[in-house]
Amino acid sequence: SQQGEEDPQALSIQEGENATMNCSYKTSINNLQWYRQNSGRGLVHLILIRSNEREKHSGRLRVTLDTSKKSSSLLITASRAADTASYFCATAGNAGNMLTFGGGTRLMVKP
Amino acid sequence: DSGVTQTPKHLITATGQRVTLRCSPRSGDLSVYWYQQSLDQGLQFLIQYYNGEERAKGNILERFSAQQFPDLHSELNLSSLELGDSALYFCASSVGSGTQYFGPGTRLTVL
Repeated sequence: SQQGEEDPQALSIQEGENATMNCSYKTSINNLQWYRQNSGRGLVHLILIRSNEREKHSGRLRVTLDTSKKSSSLLITASRAADTASYFCATAGNAGNMLTFGGGTRLMVKP
Repeated sequence: DSGVTQTPKHLITATGQRVTLRCSPRSGDLSVYWYQQSLDQGLQFLIQYYNGEERAKGNILERFSAQQFPDLHSELNLSSLELGDSALYFCASSVGSGTQYFGPGTRLTVL
């Protein structure tokens, strides 16, 4: 079963706009990771945020983590058509490093 | 390119058959993970090996088994295949409890 939910399930924006995706999870975590998947292809790691961190940046990506609310958000600024993909959050618990994935957000960026 | 390789890319077989999927982790990574991605179940953790030993088990069917060899490559064996086993199978590797890097996946179609 999946750890949590991602919201929204689908998002369509224009190039240049910002995209925000949210992820909620159920149990305590060691870290939370965001991945991108282009249609039917492999998962590309974007960013990892540890449970004692609140915010992390990588290029146009900004991730926040609120462990009290068991939620995280991924912000992609100044989106590009090449950002069109599915985005997944995945949590690693304290008992082991296996990842539990959310259902993903399908992002479409229109040129 | 994540550095994780998987073969074959595509596999088409019939119900009742047995197949073997192969994964080579990134150089230096001792942990290997297997995940299944299907339309109805999403991305699910199957099993983890660390330096040749089974470390954790997830939603892996009894018809499925895996092993990690001394050179750290891993194989996932799927037997008595059913239509519902059709999915993308991903291998990932990590050094320790941090970022998992995913391979390109093997697309299995059971006819």
